[in-house]
Amino acid sequence: GAVVSQHPSRVICKSGTSVKIECRSLDFQATTMFWYRQFPKQSLMLMATSNEGSKATYEQGVEKDKFLINHASLTLSTLTVTSAHPEDSSFYICSARTGGGGPTYEQYFGPGTRLTVT
Amino acid sequence: GQQLNQSPQSMFIQEGEDVSMNCTSSSIFNTWLWYKQEPGEGPVLLIALYKAGELTSNGRLTAQFGITRKDSFLNISASIPSDVGIYFCAGQSGTYKYIFGTGTRLKVLA
Repeated sequence: GAVVSQHPSRVICKSGTSVKIECRSLDFQATTMFWYRQFPKQSLMLMATSNEGSKATYEQGVEKDKFLINHASLTLSTLTVTSAHPEDSSFYICSARTGGGGPTYEQYFGPGTRLTVT
Repeated sequence: GQQLNQSPQSMFIQEGEDVSMNCTSSSIFNTWLWYKQEPGEGPVLLIALYKAGELTSNGRLTAQFGITRKDSFLNISASIPSDVGIYFCAGQSGTYKYIFGTGTRLKVLA
């Protein structure tokens, strides 16, 4: 159980275009999903928290108009990188939180999406 | 963003050896978690700890939630080649957000 998928796994786009990445919880409902970015040989850095039916909460320094997040259902969150530039090239990973808000919950991660902007 | 201090940064060990790594924070956490990440993949949850002093095992892996709530340890016994990867700790407090450690790269020599 607790499987999270991401699509696409890899994407190459031209500078100035937009790219949408999907994150799905396959066997559970997730009221909260998270989007992370990971640069080579670095740790995961949280970009934003996505709550079903409400606006995402962005971490300091993350441009909300550039990284659009939509969490339209309990099993799907999307991240759209708008007007992508080469510096946006990175590994984007989503996670979904299980549990009903008590202490015993965990985040399960998707397999990641490698974005390359040329 | 904030990161937790994880050590060692990397390890090269012989197959069959035991491995120890730790994670420290200046802040208190309510939950500590350990993940393993392989190249080009997302992190996979290994162990979750919810109480100070808790010691939990998952096969050859054992993790402990430090009594001060500011640290955690992960031990791997009798390492095998498939243990290769990057191990990340994560701490959670108050909100649902995780703070990740800097990672420990493990390489196992057969």
